[in-house]
Amino acid sequence: GDSVTQMEGPVTLSEEAFLTINCTYTATGYPSLFWYVQYPGEGLQLLLKATKADDKGSNKGFEATYRKETTSFHLEKGSVQVSDSAVYFCALSERFSTGNQFYFGTGTSLTVIP
Amino acid sequence: EPEVTQTPSHQVTQMGQEVILRCVPISNHLYFYWYRQILGQKVEFLVSFYNNEISEKSEIFDDQFSVERPDGSNFTLKIRSTKLEDSAMYFCASSRRDYGYTFGSGTRLTVV
Repeated sequence: GDSVTQMEGPVTLSEEAFLTINCTYTATGYPSLFWYVQYPGEGLQLLLKATKADDKGSNKGFEATYRKETTSFHLEKGSVQVSDSAVYFCALSERFSTGNQFYFGTGTSLTVIP
Repeated sequence: EPEVTQTPSHQVTQMGQEVILRCVPISNHLYFYWYRQILGQKVEFLVSFYNNEISEKSEIFDDQFSVERPDGSNFTLKIRSTKLEDSAMYFCASSRRDYGYTFGSGTRLTVV
């Protein structure tokens, strides 16, 4: 079945450090891939997405490239800020005849210290 | 930008009581979903709903759970007799088949 595996946390970085959070997936078809962010006490917010191989999603300085050959969608940011402290979830969705379904990774907690 | 709206944002209930979590999906969306996230754990699929019926459900979605679209705009999740382990953040989402999903900001359910 479909699944997402992402790097376990927690991750602690200094401000302006480079961030990578690894994510790999298993899917039966041609999924779309997503990164969601959850700030403390809040809900899920879409950070970026990619719908086909070699697409790059980007938003707020974050980037991730859909790599079919390595079944990966790693999240990167060149210079993190304290305000980036949150839990990041990698997810995939596949279309079925009855709709779409999301599969989430376990989440990676990021803390950025000044 | 259109939003999925969930109410209430936080609900506290006593064990054994019934709760109804409410969601207003985006108006032209056709598919509706509930997910939940127990504190510190991954987000898990509960149920999907299309054409006024359940299309998929997970093993979490047992007989204590039900969903309804009572009036063409609301989409509700009912838990008949809450247990302590039902405490979680519940997320509603909606989508069109060929477009992206939108999640609501969630309802935090605390069962005491």
